[in-house]
Amino acid sequence: AQSVSQHNHHVILSEAASLELGCNYSYGGTVNLFWYVQYPGQHLQLLLKYFSGDPLVKGIKGFEAEFIKSKFSFNLRKPSVQWSDTAEYFCAVNVVVGRSQGNLIFGKGTKLSVKP
Amino acid sequence: DTAVSQTPKYLVTQMGNDKSIKCEQNLGHDTMYWYKQDSKKFLKIMFSYNNKELIINETVPNRFSPKSPDKAHLNLHINSLELGDSAVYFCASSQQGSRPNYGYTFGSGTRLTVV
Repeated sequence: AQSVSQHNHHVILSEAASLELGCNYSYGGTVNLFWYVQYPGQHLQLLLKYFSGDPLVKGIKGFEAEFIKSKFSFNLRKPSVQWSDTAEYFCAVNVVVGRSQGNLIFGKGTKLSVKP
Repeated sequence: DTAVSQTPKYLVTQMGNDKSIKCEQNLGHDTMYWYKQDSKKFLKIMFSYNNKELIINETVPNRFSPKSPDKAHLNLHINSLELGDSAVYFCASSQQGSRPNYGYTFGSGTRLTVV
């Protein structure tokens, strides 16, 4: 069964610092890749997604992620974080078989705390 | 209009009770899901359901049962609630086969507290 690993449990940054959150998955076939954000007390919101094509994906709020197939990685980046980026970030993967999409499997999340 | 709506938003109940959480989506999606988010924020799929089949995560106790009156609704019924059931439950929906437009839309969650 596929799994998703997020390397950092809690990341603390000062405003304007650059961010990179790691995500690796274990599955050798075709996958869809996602990053979701959960602000305190709120539901999950999609930041960005990758299906195919350009491995550098740009999302909302200045976030981007790069799919490196050889490393089974999909790391999330932002050049300069803001206090309002404080949230929990989840990487997620689902397997594609033909026209069917498997269930979305989440990593354990990375808590980002940005100090003003 | 809210795309995926869950009710109630908060639910506090005593051990041993039976409760239901409702979920409705107005996106026309063909698949709906229930996820459980524990106190450590870990999201775990409980069920996925479309008009063809129900897939149950084998680790989910059989006290939990999804009920779908139609393709726009997937309610979660829980019997004999236990303290360990306290969590946030998220409903979600998606449309199969619509890559690259595929994605999950999540509801706002139901925070269940069992006392």
